[in-house]
Amino acid sequence: ILNVEQSPQSLHVQEGDSTNFTCSFPSSNFYALHWYRWETAKSPEALFVMTLNGDEKKKGRISATLNTKEGYSYLYIKGSQPEDSATYLCALYGGATNKLIFGTGTLLAVQP
Amino acid sequence: DAGVTQSPTHLIKTRGQQVTLRCSPKSGHDTVSWYQQALGQGPQFIFQYYEEEERQRGNFPDRFSGHQFPNYSSELNVNALLLGDSALYLCASSLSLRRGAYNEQFFGPGTRLTVL
Repeated sequence: ILNVEQSPQSLHVQEGDSTNFTCSFPSSNFYALHWYRWETAKSPEALFVMTLNGDEKKKGRISATLNTKEGYSYLYIKGSQPEDSATYLCALYGGATNKLIFGTGTLLAVQP
Repeated sequence: DAGVTQSPTHLIKTRGQQVTLRCSPKSGHDTVSWYQQALGQGPQFIFQYYEEEERQRGNFPDRFSGHQFPNYSSELNVNALLLGDSALYLCASSLSLRRGAYNEQFFGPGTRLTVL
């Protein structure tokens, strides 16, 4: 059974702080990893899709890295803003099984 | 372009009842997946529909069933509701593997089901 783990479970930071979260997954049979941002009462929004070992992706103040050999991905937020407050989910894409296996998410709260 | 839509937004049922949730995929998508998110957990894969057939299924009992229509919209049905079925039900749409080398999934806002 594939297991995707995220840490920390929750994080409270001050506006302007930089922060990072971890997503760990089995390194065998890797196909792709997704990062989603999920604000309360909205749809999960795709941030990044990462497929290659060593991938680094960036969108504004948010960036992510991927290490498929050791089975982890980091999500970084530089200079956190209150609007960054959300749950950040990572999900392993199963390739031929065509389904996403999610971690439990990291809840980020940014205090003004 | 409308994204993925789900209805209803919220639903309250009692134990033993049956419920139907609906999903309209993003324009151009032909595959619909359903996920259940219970409190404190990440979304769990229920099943996926493509070409009006169930193609993949997660670890959910037969009380959970679905349907896909010719216009690609989908329904999730849950029979004999249990208290533990209370959760947020998410629908995601994508292109089939046949039509794309990689099919990113786009999510709807979910239906919050409460079973009393």
